Amino acid sequence: ETGVTQSPTHLIKTRGQQVTLRCSSQSGHNTVSWYQQALGQGPQFIFQYYREEENGRGNFPPRFSGLQFPNYSSELNVNALELDDSALYLCASSRASYNEQFFGPGTRLTVL
Amino acid sequence: QKEVEQDPGPLSVPEGAIVSLNCTYSNSAFQYFMWYRQYSRKGPELLMYTYSSGNKEDGRFTAQVDKSSKYISLFIRDSQPSDSATYLCAILDSWGKLQFGAGTQVVVTP
Repeated sequence: ETGVTQSPTHLIKTRGQQVTLRCSSQSGHNTVSWYQQALGQGPQFIFQYYREEENGRGNFPPRFSGLQFPNYSSELNVNALELDDSALYLCASSRASYNEQFFGPGTRLTVL
Repeated sequence: QKEVEQDPGPLSVPEGAIVSLNCTYSNSAFQYFMWYRQYSRKGPELLMYTYSSGNKEDGRFTAQVDKSSKYISLFIRDSQPSDSATYLCAILDSWGKLQFGAGTQVVVTP
């Protein structure tokens, strides 16, 4: 059984640019959640996708957007990058919205 | 006030000691409680998943939930240097969103 994978591993962008992060969910999982983890903090919920529909959103501005595809993989898009967007972005998948979530290795984004 | 509070540590213990980690939470409606382990620059790894109150044991790990006190604990027996990591408590809310504590850094010294 393949676990959650994310790409790329690392990314460096400049302020104002746009970025797309990708996540492949674990086999049999139809729900993907995205989290942002700043250095020294716990992960913060960005949003969740269930069967290609957004199923809840945290306290993040609209420039954070996402997609889920028919194979349940997902993308996180961030427009107009700011310095504070520098963080580890984590994707987690689960069998359904209300089940335990399994995380990928994360994408480390640095905004200069 | 944060929904989940966790002492960030660091917590340093000698090899073989019991590691005791705690979190408090504010919403009594929460029912699902989790502990994750996170090594430096890696994604969190699910260690324990507990529903409602009570104890759950898995090898050297024991998770406890006291809903009357809104207090959750993780105990690691016979700690090893490989247990050195950050431990995150998390609560799954009614919308399927995980709410995390800040994480406690644990260092097990040989």
